[in-house]
Amino acid sequence: NAGVTQTPKFRILKIGQSMTLQCTQDMNHNYMYWYRQDPGMGLKLIYYSVGAGITDKGEVPNGYNVSRSTTEDFPLRLELAAPSQTSVYFCASSSGQLTDTQYFGPGTRLTVL
Amino acid sequence: AQSVTQLDSQVPVFEEAPVELRCNYSSSVSVYLFWYVQYPNQGLQLLLKYLSGSTLVKGINGFEAEFNKSQTSFHLRKPSVHISDTAEYFCAVSDDSGGSNYKLTFGKGTLLTVNP
Repeated sequence: NAGVTQTPKFRILKIGQSMTLQCTQDMNHNYMYWYRQDPGMGLKLIYYSVGAGITDKGEVPNGYNVSRSTTEDFPLRLELAAPSQTSVYFCASSSGQLTDTQYFGPGTRLTVL
Repeated sequence: AQSVTQLDSQVPVFEEAPVELRCNYSSSVSVYLFWYVQYPNQGLQLLLKYLSGSTLVKGINGFEAEFNKSQTSFHLRKPSVHISDTAEYFCAVSDDSGGSNYKLTFGKGTLLTVNP
């Protein structure tokens, strides 16, 4: 079982560049999430999706965009990279119930210089 | 709105010693509480969760947590830790407020370091 996969594992961007972080899950989960993790700050929710075609903002959405065209995929787009977006990004999925476990990918470490 | 406070950012302990990682939450409605663990350079994985019923919850790797509604706490404990327990531990809460849309609110994490 692959679970939640993320690519790339590492990336260095220059200020102003754009990129897409990929996330795929094979558990047929309706709910998917993007978090960023900064040292000592825990995880902050960027965007989430409750199903194909439906997305919504989380706590820190500025500078990011998402789309959800299939159940499996939930890419995160950075249009104009800024140093403040240097972070570790995690994708997660769940079946959506409040009581359900979220399953996390291994993360993407992004540095913007 | 729900919030989570992890009272210690770092907890160093010696191998085979007991450990308690503290977590307090605030929410005006019924809550569901989770502990996740993040080993170095990995994603998070579920350690245990409290949904309802018995206030003492047992999880993987010998960890347990106790839900205390009056003190709004959900502290994580292990009677004897191993070097392999070195990791960051996150407490998280979701609630029935309706506006949370199945989102988790995470604490800032506690880094547990187990020394030989």
